[in-house]
Amino acid sequence: DSGVTQTPKHLITATGQRVTLRCSPRSGDLSVYWYQQSLDQGLQFLIQYYNGEERAKGNILERFSAQQFPDLHSELNLSSLELGDSALYFCASSVRGSPLHFGNGTRLTVT
Amino acid sequence: AQSVAQPEDQVNVAEGNPLTVKCTYSVSGNPYLFWYVQYPNRGLQFLLKYITGDNLVKGSYGFEAEFNKSQTSFHLKKPSALVSDSALYFCAVRDGGNTPLVFGKGTRLSVIA
Repeated sequence: DSGVTQTPKHLITATGQRVTLRCSPRSGDLSVYWYQQSLDQGLQFLIQYYNGEERAKGNILERFSAQQFPDLHSELNLSSLELGDSALYFCASSVRGSPLHFGNGTRLTVT
Repeated sequence: AQSVAQPEDQVNVAEGNPLTVKCTYSVSGNPYLFWYVQYPNRGLQFLLKYITGDNLVKGSYGFEAEFNKSQTSFHLKKPSALVSDSALYFCAVRDGGNTPLVFGKGTRLSVIA
């Protein structure tokens, strides 16, 4: 068990809808990262937060947004969903210099 | 910007034989290199890392990796493969500090009994 908790495990929704994915990092980890894993694109970095502040941005669409709350949990919001947004979304956490620890992911299916 | 290439989508090896999963990288500064493994319906699990020091890094489950600066490679190896090693393996790199990891596309390892 990595100590990173992601909910929900599965999410099925329709095109045009909005969903929120939640991540609780390992105790003591200040950094949270979001990644998207799809068959054709591999594992793509979306965004990083450190202690509540946005630290780095990757290939994140404008329809997607995230935040990290004072208790360090993070949420990834996906809106105006398209079929191509179907993927596994992973959250990872770390302390500075340590390897990333990944949650088990949220599988999003857009129909 | 950093990048990682895993040239093989799939590697097949017989149980008991040595295995190698290849990785090459590109980074502007000193590389921080990682290997992760992913089992079905699970998140990525950390195997090993190279930051500095000895070019041969030992990690979990009997895996090791060899850092070669001149060839910008960080190949994953294991002397004797197990069927339970069958999984998806990812190489990743960052250029130090707290920058995000960049992952390769992954290599599916299949160990045949």
